[in-house]
Amino acid sequence: ETGVTQSPTHLIKTRGQQVTLRCSSQSGHNTVSWYQQALGQGPQFIFQYYREEENGRGNFPPRFSGLQFPNYSSELNVNALELDDSALYLCASSLALGEAFFGQGTRLTVV
Amino acid sequence: AQKITQTQPGMFVQEKEAVTLDCTYDTSDQSYGLFWYKQPSSGEMIFLIYQGSYDEQNATEGRYSLNFQKARKSANLVISASQLGDSAMYFCAMREGLSGKLVFGKGTKLTVNP
Repeated sequence: ETGVTQSPTHLIKTRGQQVTLRCSSQSGHNTVSWYQQALGQGPQFIFQYYREEENGRGNFPPRFSGLQFPNYSSELNVNALELDDSALYLCASSLALGEAFFGQGTRLTVV
Repeated sequence: AQKITQTQPGMFVQEKEAVTLDCTYDTSDQSYGLFWYKQPSSGEMIFLIYQGSYDEQNATEGRYSLNFQKARKSANLVISASQLGDSAMYFCAMREGLSGKLVFGKGTKLTVNP
């Protein structure tokens, strides 16, 4: 077990709604990254937070946004949900550029 | 741009035998890191092994070893003495330079037969 926890584990939302996913990083880790994994694909990088600042972003639209809190936990927010947003969302924490440890993921279904 | 290629969508191996999962990568950076992760059906990505681009020796972690051939840009994962619990998806990933971003391949589904 990595110590990275994500909530909720499963979620069903309607197209057009907004969703917030949460991640508690492993103790001592100051960097959190979020990934989207569509069915049958490898994870795709959404963005990364280091000490509460976004310091890297993948090819995702602005309706994907995030926060990192002083305790290094993090949130991923997605507005105006689309059917294609249905995926497994993974959070990874690390100490700067050290090994990244992943949580169990949140399975989001948009109907 | 970075790219990871895993050419084996699925692999089968008998219990207690060794198996090699292929991974090739493309990058123009001199400094990078290569990772292998295991993803059971539960979804969690489990870190297995890491190889830095400047590491001269191949990484090993228990039954896992990474066959790193820098000139060929390959980073194959070798699992020795396969166990039924090794059945899962396996992903090769690369981190380039000082970026924390991981680029993943499409994965290989490994099935271990009794």
